[in-house]
Amino acid sequence: DTGVSQDPRHKITKRGQNVTFRCDPISEHNRLYWYRQTLGQGPEFLTYFQNEAQLEKSRLLSDRFSAERPKGSFSTLEIQRTEQGDSAMYLCASSGTSEQETQYFGPGTRLLVL
Amino acid sequence: QKEVEQNSGPLSVPEGAIASLNCTYSDRGSQSFFWYRQYSGKSPELIMFIYSNGDKEDGRFTAQLNKASQYVSLLIRDSQPSDSATYLCAAPPRGMNRDDKIIFGKGTRLHILP
Repeated sequence: DTGVSQDPRHKITKRGQNVTFRCDPISEHNRLYWYRQTLGQGPEFLTYFQNEAQLEKSRLLSDRFSAERPKGSFSTLEIQRTEQGDSAMYLCASSGTSEQETQYFGPGTRLLVL
Repeated sequence: QKEVEQNSGPLSVPEGAIASLNCTYSDRGSQSFFWYRQYSGKSPELIMFIYSNGDKEDGRFTAQLNKASQYVSLLIRDSQPSDSATYLCAAPPRGMNRDDKIIFGKGTRLHILP
């Protein structure tokens, strides 16, 4: 257990539905990252926050995806109008902002879109 | 575009032997690297971090960094069946610039043969 928690751990939804995932980072970490990982691939960067500011969003991320970190603590990732291609493991990680920062990953949320 | 390249494997190693995992990177400015281990269906967990040329040892694990040749490797001595996993090489952000984010390789699958 790294101290990063994610909820839910598993989500099955029908195509077209909206889903929301939550991530609680390690409390003293001010950077929070979202990744997507599919089978046989490394984690693919989606977006990251420094405190409550969203500093970068991957160009691979469509407008159906949105993330928030309203108080600089927990974060939510919402996917609207889900598609089958959204099926993946969604990983959250947190880190400090030191030069040699280590990212600690949560257990992930596995999404299956039917 | 920064890239981190790994052979996807699978790499099969007899139990008790040394497993050698390699990673090359394109960004000459990268100063440090992480090795993560990921079991099937689980999130990545950090096992080694290296930022100096040469070797860094931690128990049965040794990370080697050669900045001139732009490669980093992970050696696992006395391989155990529990070492069977996917090993991800990653280059962390170099600072707090907007473009800085951790870059993952696709991972190498390691299989330790009993």
